[in-house]
Amino acid sequence: AQSVTQPDIHITVSEGASLELRCNYSYGATPYLFWYVQSPGQGLQLLLKYFSGDTLVQGIKGFEAEFKRSQSSFNLRKPSVHWSDAAEYFCAVDSGTYKYIFGTGTRLKVLA
Amino acid sequence: NAGVTQTPKFQVLKTGQSMTLQCAQDMNHNSMYWYRQDPGMGLRLIYYSASEGTTDKGEVPNGYNVSRLNKREFSLRLESAAPSQTSVYFCASSVSENQPQHFGDGTRLSIL
Repeated sequence: AQSVTQPDIHITVSEGASLELRCNYSYGATPYLFWYVQSPGQGLQLLLKYFSGDTLVQGIKGFEAEFKRSQSSFNLRKPSVHWSDAAEYFCAVDSGTYKYIFGTGTRLKVLA
Repeated sequence: NAGVTQTPKFQVLKTGQSMTLQCAQDMNHNSMYWYRQDPGMGLRLIYYSASEGTTDKGEVPNGYNVSRLNKREFSLRLESAAPSQTSVYFCASSVSENQPQHFGDGTRLSIL
């Protein structure tokens, strides 16, 4: 069965430090992959997506993610975190037939 | 530019009461979705509508019904609310299958 794993429930980084959020998926074919961000009391906002082609994709707010087929991973990165990046981040796989599978989320805390 | 609009934003029900959550999108999207979000579980798909006139079950459909009223509107109904349905409910829409989904800000529903 398809699944998405975000192994880190909470991550704390200092403002200005680099960030990497992990996402591993289990899916038979080449997946459609997404990262979303959720601020408190808000809906989910799309950060970036991977459909095919270049395995390094750029998103909004300075985020990027790299698709590694051999590791079944799609990790999210940012070179320098800002206090406004504090939020919850969700990785998702489109398993086909309109069904997203979401990870359980990683909550990011940013220290001033 | 409203995007996806959900009403109400908050609601408290008593066990056994009925309730309809409303969702409307103004992006001319074909597909619409209802999710529930519970702590530590990410988002889970309740029902989706691939196109106007069609609806299908997602991962957790029990206790819910949906209506795709027209291309813009997709409602979720709880016929007899149970405490286990206390959750945050999100509506989303997309142009089509495998495309990014756009989310509303959610309805926070408590059932006593």
